[in-house]
Amino acid sequence: EAQVTQNPRYLITVTGKKLTVTCSQNMNHEYMSWYRQDPGLGLRQIYYSMNVEVTDKGDVPEGYKVSRKEKRNFPLILESPSPNQTSLYFCASSRTYPVSGELFFGEGSRLTVL
Amino acid sequence: GQQVMQIPQYQHVQEGEDFTTYCNSSTTLSNIQWYKQRPGGHPVFLIQLVKSGEVKKQKRLTFQFGEAKKNSSLHITATQTTDVGTYFCAVETGANNLFFGTGTRLTVIP
Repeated sequence: EAQVTQNPRYLITVTGKKLTVTCSQNMNHEYMSWYRQDPGLGLRQIYYSMNVEVTDKGDVPEGYKVSRKEKRNFPLILESPSPNQTSLYFCASSRTYPVSGELFFGEGSRLTVL
Repeated sequence: GQQVMQIPQYQHVQEGEDFTTYCNSSTTLSNIQWYKQRPGGHPVFLIQLVKSGEVKKQKRLTFQFGEAKKNSSLHITATQTTDVGTYFCAVETGANNLFFGTGTRLTVIP
């Protein structure tokens, strides 16, 4: 089954404790992206990657890091989480750049930073 | 960067009534996509519109792309409780990524 898998789905952590949210897709997609969703603000892009070893900042990259060492994986790293990073996070992938292809979303990771 | 306004932010309708959400841009768009997110779920792609004046239908859903390619609408005829969710438009930015509107949350009252 074609899917985007995120882990963990839920996480409560404390300020400053490094964490990684993993994302994996099994569709051989080139494009992958991370979004955060907050009430009233919709989906805002954090980082995206057009292929292996190619990543770029989205609209709200501060406080986040990503890497794309393999085509299927695109982890989101919070080196020193802060309460303002409490949010619902979605990973998404697309066969090509989103211009010509739909985005497939993971089920989301709800993060709470105390 | 690319900005798109989506209205209304919320809409409550009686089951059986129609519903419309709009996306408006100040610049000409190359294309526009629509997504639906059920409560507690993740966004799911509905459709992509590319051509000026394009109209596409999916059962009770009608999608339109304006003649000037600056606005788009999603219309649902005779809403059902299964239509509940948030509807997002998404447009390409100049940087090979998608910018999402803030969404319209639809509530259907049985």
